Amino acid sequence: NAGVMQNPRHLVRRRGQEARLRCSPMKGHSHVYWYRQLPEEGLKFMVYLQKENIIDESGMPKERFSAEFPKEGPSILRIQQVVRGDSAAYFCASSPRRDRGLNEQFFGPGTRLTVL
Amino acid sequence: DQQVKQNSPSLSVQEGRISILNCDYTNSMFDYFLWYKKYPAEGPTFLISISSIKDKNEDGRFTVFLNKSAKHLSLHIVPSQPGDSAVYFCAASNSGGSNYKLTFGKGTLLTVNP
Repeated sequence: NAGVMQNPRHLVRRRGQEARLRCSPMKGHSHVYWYRQLPEEGLKFMVYLQKENIIDESGMPKERFSAEFPKEGPSILRIQQVVRGDSAAYFCASSPRRDRGLNEQFFGPGTRLTVL
Repeated sequence: DQQVKQNSPSLSVQEGRISILNCDYTNSMFDYFLWYKKYPAEGPTFLISISSIKDKNEDGRFTVFLNKSAKHLSLHIVPSQPGDSAVYFCAASNSGGSNYKLTFGKGTLLTVNP
């Protein structure tokens, strides 16, 4: 499977717990993006990472959310002390490079987080 | 502040007819526009794109039209097939420094009836 992989596909957490979402980009892709889709909304940009670097985290909530893309292994989106409002679908996308102009991103299947 | 708007939450079309999905944007800095298709429980799949230097781009049954003066674009699917039933998202980006930041509309659910 050469596509973007995300796990888990479904994650249930109680308020106050931590959620860890993982994303493995397509082979050969070194740019990773995280988006969040709240119910009845479009996808909203959260963060853009390259290996070991956060390039733009302007869409991330200021507290409780963090992201990393280590030299080895998948990208991780971490949400600490989850609240009900964090319930959403979280999508990861990747691209092989960042060209000027069109930046086609390939999306994973998403992780659906439910906070009880 | 919604910079990309898809005002029709849903659209129903008969198989074989044309489907027209509309999208409006407010940010004049956007110069690349993309359409994504999304099935339930899957991620969005890239469908077709258009640069602001063009007013039309065609790929098989799919054509995207861009009217820059009206800040409006549309996706035409001809002929529509039942397998086209999905949510269609319009997205926009600025080819300058933040071209990686796609701004999405809320989506339009297209149902193609056999």
